[in-house]
Amino acid sequence: SYVLTQPPSVSVAPGQTASVTCGGNDIGTKIVHWYQQKPGQAPVLVFSEESDRPSGILERFSGSNSGYTATLTINRVEAGDDADYYCQVWDDSSDQWWFGGGTKLTVL
Amino acid sequence: QVQLVQSGAELKKPGASAKVSCKASGYTFLVYFMHWVRQAPGQGLEWVGMINPSAYTTSYAQKFQGRVTITRDASASTVSMELNGLGSEDTAVYFCARQSKGRFHFDFWGQGTLVTVSA
Repeated sequence: SYVLTQPPSVSVAPGQTASVTCGGNDIGTKIVHWYQQKPGQAPVLVFSEESDRPSGILERFSGSNSGYTATLTINRVEAGDDADYYCQVWDDSSDQWWFGGGTKLTVL
Repeated sequence: QVQLVQSGAELKKPGASAKVSCKASGYTFLVYFMHWVRQAPGQGLEWVGMINPSAYTTSYAQKFQGRVTITRDASASTVSMELNGLGSEDTAVYFCARQSKGRFHFDFWGQGTLVTVSA
Protein backbone atom coordinates (compact mmCIF):
# COMPACT_ATOMS: atom_id res chain seq x y z
CA SER A 1 0.00 0.00 0.00
CA TYR A 2 0.95 3.65 -0.35
CA VAL A 3 0.29 5.81 2.68
CA LEU A 4 -0.50 9.51 2.43
CA THR A 5 -0.29 11.39 5.74
CA GLN A 6 -2.18 14.62 6.36
CA PRO A 7 -2.54 16.62 9.58
CA PRO A 8 -6.05 16.14 11.01
CA SER A 9 -6.66 19.86 11.37
CA VAL A 10 -5.37 23.27 10.41
CA SER A 11 -6.68 26.61 11.64
CA VAL A 12 -6.23 30.00 10.01
CA ALA A 13 -7.63 33.50 10.36
CA PRO A 14 -9.48 35.11 7.45
CA GLY A 15 -7.16 36.86 5.02
CA GLN A 16 -4.17 34.76 6.04
CA THR A 17 -2.45 31.93 4.17
CA ALA A 18 -3.24 28.28 4.92
CA SER A 19 -0.95 25.38 4.13
CA VAL A 20 -2.15 21.78 4.11
CA THR A 21 0.53 19.13 3.80
CA CYS A 22 0.46 15.59 2.43
CA GLY A 23 3.36 13.28 3.19
CA GLY A 24 4.25 10.15 1.30
CA ASN A 25 7.26 8.06 0.30
CA ASP A 26 8.90 9.84 -2.63
CA ILE A 27 5.67 11.72 -3.23
CA GLY A 28 7.72 14.24 -5.21
CA THR A 29 7.88 11.68 -8.02
CA LYS A 30 4.10 11.42 -8.20
CA ILE A 31 1.36 13.71 -9.44
CA VAL A 32 -0.72 15.00 -6.55
CA HIS A 33 -4.30 16.21 -6.70
CA TRP A 34 -6.28 18.11 -4.07
CA TYR A 35 -10.00 18.04 -3.33
CA GLN A 36 -12.20 20.18 -1.13
CA GLN A 37 -15.21 18.62 0.54
CA LYS A 38 -17.93 20.41 2.47
CA PRO A 39 -20.40 18.60 4.74
CA GLY A 40 -22.96 16.56 2.87
CA GLN A 41 -21.37 17.25 -0.51
CA ALA A 42 -19.19 15.39 -2.96
CA PRO A 43 -15.51 16.36 -3.19
CA VAL A 44 -14.48 19.05 -5.67
CA LEU A 45 -11.07 19.26 -7.34
CA VAL A 46 -9.30 22.46 -6.29
CA PHE A 47 -5.78 21.84 -7.57
CA SER A 48 -3.98 19.34 -9.74
CA GLU A 49 -0.37 19.33 -10.85
CA GLU A 50 -1.34 17.87 -14.22
CA SER A 51 -4.00 20.26 -15.43
CA ASP A 52 -5.07 23.85 -15.63
CA ARG A 53 -6.89 25.26 -12.66
CA PRO A 54 -10.40 23.77 -12.63
CA SER A 55 -13.17 25.96 -13.90
CA GLY A 56 -14.58 28.08 -11.09
CA ILE A 57 -11.59 27.56 -8.80
CA LEU A 58 -9.92 30.76 -7.82
CA GLU A 59 -6.24 31.45 -8.23
CA ARG A 60 -5.98 31.55 -4.44
CA PHE A 61 -5.42 27.77 -4.53
CA SER A 62 -1.98 26.50 -5.52
CA GLY A 63 0.19 23.47 -4.91
CA SER A 64 3.77 22.35 -4.61
CA ASN A 65 5.40 18.94 -4.38
CA SER A 66 8.94 17.88 -3.62
CA GLY A 67 10.70 15.07 -1.84
CA TYR A 68 8.38 13.55 0.72
CA THR A 69 5.82 16.34 1.05
CA ALA A 70 3.18 17.93 -1.15
CA THR A 71 1.50 21.14 -0.03
CA LEU A 72 -1.76 22.85 -0.87
CA THR A 73 -1.59 26.59 -0.27
CA ILE A 74 -4.67 28.75 0.06
CA ASN A 75 -4.00 32.48 -0.08
CA ARG A 76 -6.25 35.15 1.40
CA VAL A 77 -8.39 32.56 3.15
CA GLU A 78 -12.14 33.21 3.22
CA ALA A 79 -14.90 31.82 5.40
CA GLY A 80 -16.09 29.72 2.46
CA ASP A 81 -12.79 27.81 2.46
CA ASP A 82 -13.80 26.14 5.72
CA ALA A 83 -13.90 22.47 4.63
CA ASP A 84 -12.08 19.14 4.54
CA TYR A 85 -9.18 18.81 2.12
CA TYR A 86 -7.85 15.54 0.68
CA CYS A 87 -4.74 14.79 -1.33
CA GLN A 88 -4.83 11.98 -3.89
CA VAL A 89 -2.31 10.12 -6.06
CA TRP A 90 -2.23 7.24 -8.46
CA ASP A 91 0.51 4.75 -7.61
CA ASP A 92 1.76 3.29 -10.87
CA SER A 93 3.68 0.47 -9.19
CA SER A 94 0.50 -1.04 -7.77
CA ASP A 95 -2.08 0.54 -10.14
CA GLN A 96 -3.99 1.65 -7.07
CA TRP A 97 -5.46 5.03 -6.21
CA TRP A 98 -4.82 6.53 -2.79
CA PHE A 99 -6.26 9.34 -0.69
CA GLY A 100 -4.80 11.05 2.31
CA GLY A 101 -6.74 10.89 5.55
CA GLY A 102 -8.02 14.43 5.11
CA THR A 103 -7.41 17.75 6.85
CA LYS A 104 -10.14 19.82 8.43
CA LEU A 105 -9.45 23.48 7.66
CA THR A 106 -11.07 25.79 10.18
CA VAL A 107 -11.37 29.47 9.36
CA LEU A 108 -11.33 31.26 12.68
CA GLN B 1 -23.31 19.57 -18.92
CA VAL B 2 -21.75 16.53 -17.32
CA GLN B 3 -23.95 14.85 -14.72
CA LEU B 4 -23.52 11.70 -12.67
CA VAL B 5 -26.75 10.69 -10.97
CA GLN B 6 -26.65 7.85 -8.47
CA SER B 7 -29.32 5.52 -7.19
CA GLY B 8 -30.99 6.01 -3.82
CA ALA B 9 -30.01 5.03 -0.30
CA GLU B 10 -30.03 1.37 0.70
CA LEU B 11 -30.46 -0.47 3.99
CA LYS B 12 -28.96 -3.92 4.07
CA LYS B 13 -28.53 -6.70 6.59
CA PRO B 14 -25.10 -8.10 7.41
CA GLY B 15 -23.98 -10.65 4.84
CA ALA B 16 -26.19 -9.21 2.10
CA SER B 17 -25.12 -7.47 -1.11
CA ALA B 18 -25.61 -3.89 -2.21
CA LYS B 19 -25.67 -2.62 -5.77
CA VAL B 20 -25.32 1.09 -6.46
CA SER B 21 -25.74 2.61 -9.91
CA CYS B 22 -24.43 5.80 -11.51
CA LYS B 23 -26.06 7.19 -14.66
CA ALA B 24 -23.85 9.44 -16.74
CA SER B 25 -24.97 12.15 -19.14
CA GLY B 26 -23.56 15.13 -20.96
CA TYR B 27 -20.52 13.38 -22.43
CA THR B 28 -19.47 10.33 -24.45
CA PHE B 29 -19.88 7.53 -21.92
CA LEU B 30 -17.36 5.07 -23.32
CA VAL B 31 -14.49 7.54 -23.45
CA TYR B 32 -14.03 8.17 -19.72
CA PHE B 33 -13.02 5.76 -16.97
CA MET B 34 -15.33 5.65 -13.97
CA HIS B 35 -14.32 5.07 -10.36
CA TRP B 36 -16.04 4.32 -7.07
CA VAL B 37 -14.92 5.99 -3.85
CA ARG B 38 -16.51 5.49 -0.45
CA GLN B 39 -16.61 7.48 2.77
CA ALA B 40 -17.60 5.98 6.09
CA PRO B 41 -19.38 8.30 8.55
CA GLY B 42 -16.96 10.93 9.80
CA GLN B 43 -14.08 9.31 7.95
CA GLY B 44 -11.96 10.02 4.88
CA LEU B 45 -12.20 8.99 1.25
CA GLU B 46 -11.33 5.45 0.19
CA TRP B 47 -10.88 4.21 -3.38
CA VAL B 48 -12.90 1.09 -4.17
CA GLY B 49 -12.25 0.40 -7.85
CA MET B 50 -12.71 1.50 -11.45
CA ILE B 51 -13.90 0.46 -14.88
CA ASN B 52 -12.81 1.27 -18.40
CA PRO B 53 -16.23 1.31 -20.07
CA SER B 54 -14.82 0.96 -23.57
CA ALA B 55 -12.56 -2.05 -22.98
CA TYR B 56 -14.81 -3.34 -20.17
CA THR B 57 -11.81 -3.87 -17.93
CA THR B 58 -11.79 -3.31 -14.21
CA SER B 59 -9.34 -2.70 -11.40
CA TYR B 60 -10.13 -3.00 -7.71
CA ALA B 61 -8.51 -1.91 -4.48
CA GLN B 62 -6.73 -4.85 -2.91
CA LYS B 63 -8.89 -4.46 0.17
CA PHE B 64 -12.05 -5.24 -1.81
CA GLN B 65 -10.72 -7.88 -4.22
CA GLY B 66 -13.13 -10.77 -4.45
CA ARG B 67 -15.95 -8.85 -2.82
CA VAL B 68 -16.67 -6.06 -5.31
CA THR B 69 -17.78 -6.09 -8.92
CA ILE B 70 -18.06 -3.03 -11.16
CA THR B 71 -20.05 -3.32 -14.37
CA ARG B 72 -21.38 -1.03 -17.07
CA ASP B 73 -24.40 -0.87 -19.35
CA ALA B 74 -23.35 1.18 -22.34
CA SER B 75 -26.88 1.36 -23.72
CA ALA B 76 -27.97 3.11 -20.53
CA SER B 77 -24.73 5.04 -19.90
CA THR B 78 -24.71 3.51 -16.45
CA VAL B 79 -21.99 2.09 -14.24
CA SER B 80 -22.84 -0.09 -11.26
CA MET B 81 -20.93 -1.29 -8.24
CA GLU B 82 -21.93 -4.38 -6.28
CA LEU B 83 -20.39 -5.14 -2.91
CA ASN B 84 -20.95 -8.56 -1.38
CA GLY B 85 -20.66 -9.93 2.13
CA LEU B 86 -21.60 -6.63 3.76
CA GLY B 87 -20.54 -5.89 7.31
CA SER B 88 -21.17 -2.89 9.53
CA GLU B 89 -17.82 -1.49 8.42
CA ASP B 90 -19.23 -1.13 4.91
CA THR B 91 -21.73 1.48 6.07
CA ALA B 92 -20.67 4.48 4.02
CA VAL B 93 -21.55 6.95 1.31
CA TYR B 94 -20.48 5.56 -2.04
CA PHE B 95 -19.54 8.03 -4.78
CA CYS B 96 -18.98 7.46 -8.46
CA ALA B 97 -16.32 9.74 -9.92
CA ARG B 98 -15.26 10.30 -13.51
CA GLN B 99 -11.56 10.19 -14.28
CA SER B 100 -10.38 13.12 -16.36
CA LYS B 101 -9.43 11.92 -19.85
CA GLY B 102 -5.75 11.14 -20.06
CA ARG B 103 -5.22 12.38 -16.52
CA PHE B 104 -5.11 10.84 -13.07
CA HIS B 105 -7.63 12.89 -11.14
CA PHE B 106 -11.42 12.95 -10.83
CA ASP B 107 -13.19 15.81 -12.54
CA PHE B 108 -16.86 15.04 -11.85
CA TRP B 109 -18.55 13.24 -8.97
CA GLY B 110 -21.96 11.77 -8.33
CA GLN B 111 -24.03 13.00 -5.41
CA GLY B 112 -23.27 9.93 -3.30
CA THR B 113 -25.38 6.99 -2.13
CA LEU B 114 -25.64 6.00 1.52
CA VAL B 115 -25.46 2.28 2.13
CA THR B 116 -26.33 1.34 5.70
CA VAL B 117 -25.59 -2.14 7.01
CA SER B 118 -27.57 -3.01 10.09
CA ALA B 119 -29.29 -6.02 11.57
